[in-house]
Amino acid sequence: SAVISQKPSRDICQRGTSLTIQCQVDSQVTMMFWYRQQPGQSLTLIATANQGSEATYESGFVIDKFPISRPNLTFSTLTVSNMSPEDSSIYLCSVQHGTGSYEQYFGPGTRLTVT
Amino acid sequence: GEDVEQSLFLSVREGDSSVINCTYTDSSSTYLYWYKQEPGAGLQLLTYIFSNMDMKQDQRLTVLLNKKDKHLSLRIADTQTGDSAIYFCAERSGGYQKVTFGTGTKLQVIP
Repeated sequence: SAVISQKPSRDICQRGTSLTIQCQVDSQVTMMFWYRQQPGQSLTLIATANQGSEATYESGFVIDKFPISRPNLTFSTLTVSNMSPEDSSIYLCSVQHGTGSYEQYFGPGTRLTVT
Repeated sequence: GEDVEQSLFLSVREGDSSVINCTYTDSSSTYLYWYKQEPGAGLQLLTYIFSNMDMKQDQRLTVLLNKKDKHLSLRIADTQTGDSAIYFCAERSGGYQKVTFGTGTKLQVIP
């Protein structure tokens, strides 16, 4: 399995500010994903980040609000910009790993509260 | 689009078997997954099954797949209090890397 770490683990931010979440993987992976889990809800895919190309965003998510960087095969960042209380969620980094990349693993998540 | 449905809640007594059900709509699904999420924690991959399989067993876990009915189930034998968590079913569409998650089933194990 892949070991994924995220920083910060949690944060409380004021509306209008931005927060950058870091995701580090212990091995090289082609595809990294960012998900959002709103309180008491399931996971929603924000975007797919491949190294060397622009991130692909899902419907309802835009680059200006959630810019993503993927500088190498083990690291990615997600920025939540101009935050509002509706952005309060858990943000999870995920990778596909293993033979054929069938297995998808998740980081511990970043719990964001916007006041 | 893809849609994955689960019942919201299941309560079982310790030592009994638990069966968590999931239905999906995408007929091109290639892999189906079960994840466990304990309170305040991330998602733990429990097991997964390829769409051309009917069953997969891994210790106390048994996954059954009925591809015709697009129905997936997770059976936990000898359920323990440590199994109390939210269980998410997820499906990966064929030819596309996106994994879609179900609504999650909260499993409560009564001692």
